[in-house]
Amino acid sequence: AQSVTQLGSHVSVSEGALVLLRCNYSSSVPPYLFWYVQYPNQGLQLLLKYTSAATLVKGINGFEAEFKKSETSFHLTKPSAHMSDAAEYFCAVSETGTASKLTFGTGTRLQVTL
Amino acid sequence: GAGVSQSPSNKVTEKGKDVELRCDPISGHTALYWYRQSLGQGLEFLIYFQGNSAPDKSGLPSDRFSAERTGGSVSTLTIQRTQQEDSAVYLCASSLGASGGVTQYFGPGTRLTVL
Repeated sequence: AQSVTQLGSHVSVSEGALVLLRCNYSSSVPPYLFWYVQYPNQGLQLLLKYTSAATLVKGINGFEAEFKKSETSFHLTKPSAHMSDAAEYFCAVSETGTASKLTFGTGTRLQVTL
Repeated sequence: GAGVSQSPSNKVTEKGKDVELRCDPISGHTALYWYRQSLGQGLEFLIYFQGNSAPDKSGLPSDRFSAERTGGSVSTLTIQRTQQEDSAVYLCASSLGASGGVTQYFGPGTRLTVL
């Protein structure tokens, strides 16, 4: 079974600082990987996804992630944090084939301080 | 265009009562998913529909949970004889097809509280 591990349930950064949210996956085959963001009392919004094209994936709101097979990682980064980035971030993996249900990590709450 | 909508947004019920949660997917999306988000279990998959059939029900936690989809569109998740541990946010998502890597679009969720 596929799984993802998100290191750090809470991350705090200063406004303007680098954001780094970690995600490692476990899969016996090349997976599809996603980062979703959840703002308070809202559903999940896709930030970006990896589907075996480019290993460096650019998403919305200035976020990007790099797929590293050797490290089984898909960390999310943003060069300069903004107050509006404060939210919960979920890494997810989907199975190959025709059933694309998502398996989520436990989430990382990002706090941005002045 | 319109996104995924869910109703009600909040539902408070008493233990032992039945509840129905509704999901309206994005028009034209053939695949529909239900997930549950709770403090203890995080985000977990419940069931997946392709058209009106449910090829994967592996995430339904007990036989008190059931779901149906009609007309390849609206879906209803029913929980019978609710228990306090059913309290959670129930999220619905839809996608254009169900091949690996397809983007799932999520609704705002229904927050269920069982007293």
